Amino acid sequence: GAVVSQHPSRVICKSGTSVKIECRSLDFQATTMFWYRQFPKKSLMLMATSNEGSKATYEQGVEKDKFLINHASLTLSTLTVTSAHPEDSSFYICSAGPINEKLFFGSGTQLSVL
Amino acid sequence: EDQVTQSPEALRLQEGESSSLNCSYTVSGLRGLFWYRQDPGKGPEFLFTLYSAGEEKEKERLKATLTKKESFLHITAPKPEDSATYLCAVQAGPPNFGNEKLTFGTGTRLTIIP
Repeated sequence: GAVVSQHPSRVICKSGTSVKIECRSLDFQATTMFWYRQFPKKSLMLMATSNEGSKATYEQGVEKDKFLINHASLTLSTLTVTSAHPEDSSFYICSAGPINEKLFFGSGTQLSVL
Repeated sequence: EDQVTQSPEALRLQEGESSSLNCSYTVSGLRGLFWYRQDPGKGPEFLFTLYSAGEEKEKERLKATLTKKESFLHITAPKPEDSATYLCAVQAGPPNFGNEKLTFGTGTRLTIIP
């Protein structure tokens, strides 16, 4: 299957700092990438849809200025959590595709804001 | 608004004890229903896609079925390594560019006891 690489897998930062998470499609070109957020024992909540070369589409309730998304190439999308606070602590997962209508997921990034 | 409900929330089975997980959905224009497996601290791993009522797919000890209102993931003679959270997701609406997002259910945490 297709491989989606996500880095870092874990990050701990101080409150007020910004954190960048990368999502790369390693063996295919992804015109669309998705960013999800997951709380413990909860399901994945879509944050935004990222299309290569255009502005991301954010879901209702997601702050655009807090979660900056850049999809500069067909293989890379980044999510920057700006001025992170403890309530931003969560598991962030990207997905890319579609390939035969399937979406493939990265391994996730656990963000802990102190 | 698309809705996906999974039951039970958690399920503990003895090794070899077969059972089924349920995914009920309410969507407008179902394009596909997806099953994923998620291990703790990891991203979802693709299992199956079902497109129309009556369709069935199998992979090792897993079998997924689809009706107009729900999908079942049957697990036959499970082993401890089948322990994971199983997520159901739907893709709905017109097949427009960039409209491949998935709406997830809350998942079923499956534990297989040796």
